[in-house]
Amino acid sequence: DAEITQSPRHKITETGRQVTLACHQTWNHNNMFWYRQDLGHGLRLIHYSYGVQDTNKGEVSDGYSVSRSNTEDLPLTLESAASSQTSVYFCASSEAGTKNEQYFGPGTRLTVT
Amino acid sequence: EDKVVQSPLSLVVHEGDTVTLNCSYEVTNFRSLLWYKQEKKAPTFLFMLTSSGIEKKSGRLSSILDKKELFSILNITATQTGDSAIYLCAVGNNNAGNMLTFGGGTRLMVKP
Repeated sequence: DAEITQSPRHKITETGRQVTLACHQTWNHNNMFWYRQDLGHGLRLIHYSYGVQDTNKGEVSDGYSVSRSNTEDLPLTLESAASSQTSVYFCASSEAGTKNEQYFGPGTRLTVT
Repeated sequence: EDKVVQSPLSLVVHEGDTVTLNCSYEVTNFRSLLWYKQEKKAPTFLFMLTSSGIEKKSGRLSSILDKKELFSILNITATQTGDSAIYLCAVGNNNAGNMLTFGGGTRLMVKP
């Protein structure tokens, strides 16, 4: 069955360290998205990609970067982790075209100390 | 900027009750409205609505969209403890590709 996976599921890191969160989907979807979820803010879009070599900034992109070298993967990098980036991170994917349904990965809980 | 507001923020009911969750939105070029259920993990897709007045139904859950008044409701009848979750509403914009704007969610707790 097609799926979307994230790793690690939990991560504790120190302020200033670089951290990369992995996202891998086997849906063969062109579109991939990264969100963070914090209490009181719902899901906020960090970065998204509509295909290989395409990346775009979302609402809360400062301090984050992504790269898309193949269809299946969209890793999210925190260049220099800050305590404000402690959050739960979700990756999602969707088909190209007018269908909007996004399918979500299980999430990564990141704590920056 | 697109905006999605959900109400109530939280709700506590007893098994067997019927609940109505609300989602109002502002979007420049409406494409779709989606409902998700989030338990202790990833949001899972429930419904996508694109046309006014057409009810989408799945078991005890149903949803309808009003594009004139810019809102949607999600109804759950005969609630069960397994319905306890955060319910998320999101809108798609034809000017924004495949991006979605999410509301803050409604936290539903169903007590036995």
